[in-house]
Amino acid sequence: DTAVSQTPKYLVTQMGNDKSIKCEQNLGHDTMYWYKQDSKKFLKIMFSYNNKELIINETVPNRFSPKSPDKAHLNLHINSLELGDSAVYFCASSLDRYSGNTIYFGEGSWLTVV
Amino acid sequence: KNEVEQSPQNLTAQEGEFITINCSYSVGISALHWLQQHPGGGIVSLFMLSSGKKKHGRLIATINIQEKHSSLHITASHPRDSAVYICAVGGGSGGTSYGKLTFGQGTILTVHP
Repeated sequence: DTAVSQTPKYLVTQMGNDKSIKCEQNLGHDTMYWYKQDSKKFLKIMFSYNNKELIINETVPNRFSPKSPDKAHLNLHINSLELGDSAVYFCASSLDRYSGNTIYFGEGSWLTVV
Repeated sequence: KNEVEQSPQNLTAQEGEFITINCSYSVGISALHWLQQHPGGGIVSLFMLSSGKKKHGRLIATINIQEKHSSLHITASHPRDSAVYICAVGGGSGGTSYGKLTFGQGTILTVHP
C-alpha cells in the first residue's frame, strides 16, 4: 500500500497545454510538499501545505497553482506549459511542518513538454 | 554558492570499500536529512539528524553542528548501494525558512563488483 502516491508517473504534452498532477498520502500527515527536480538532479521546494493551508510558496511562476482539497491530497495544476517546465515533480509529506520529521516522497512524475 | 554543498559530486568505488560523502551548510538549521535516490527515480529518507551520530545497518551518519558539517558513511559497500545521495537541511524554527528543506546537489555513487 503506497504511502505517497502521485499520478501520472509519465506525462508528455505540448507547449501551451494545461496539465495536472495529483498526489495523495495515506499516512495521516498534516504537511504536504511539491518539489521540482531539474535535469541536473537538483531538488527545490515549490510549495508546502499544512492542513490545507499554504505555508511555503517559493518563487514559482503563477502558471503553477497548487490545490489541497483536504490534508490527504495536494494537486499541482500547470497552465500554459513551457519547455522549461520539463522536469521531475515529487510530491512528499511529513507528520507536520517541523523540518526534523521524516519526509516521505512519492515516486515522481516525469513531465516532458515538447 | 549553494547554501548546501556536497562532496564529492561523483564517487566510484569497488565492492567492499568504505565510502564517505560529505555535506557542508552555511545556514542555521533545525535538522539535516540524508536521502537516497535510486536510478528508477524514487527518493527514500535514510537519516534525520539534529546532533551526534546515527547508524542503520551498514550506513552511518554524523553531524557536527558547530562546524556545520555532516558525513554519510557506507561500510562494506555493495553494487546495490549505487544511487544518488542527497543532503538536505531543514530551516530553523520560526521565520520564513521554517519547514523548508534546502538540498545539496547530490553525490552520484557507483559501486563496481
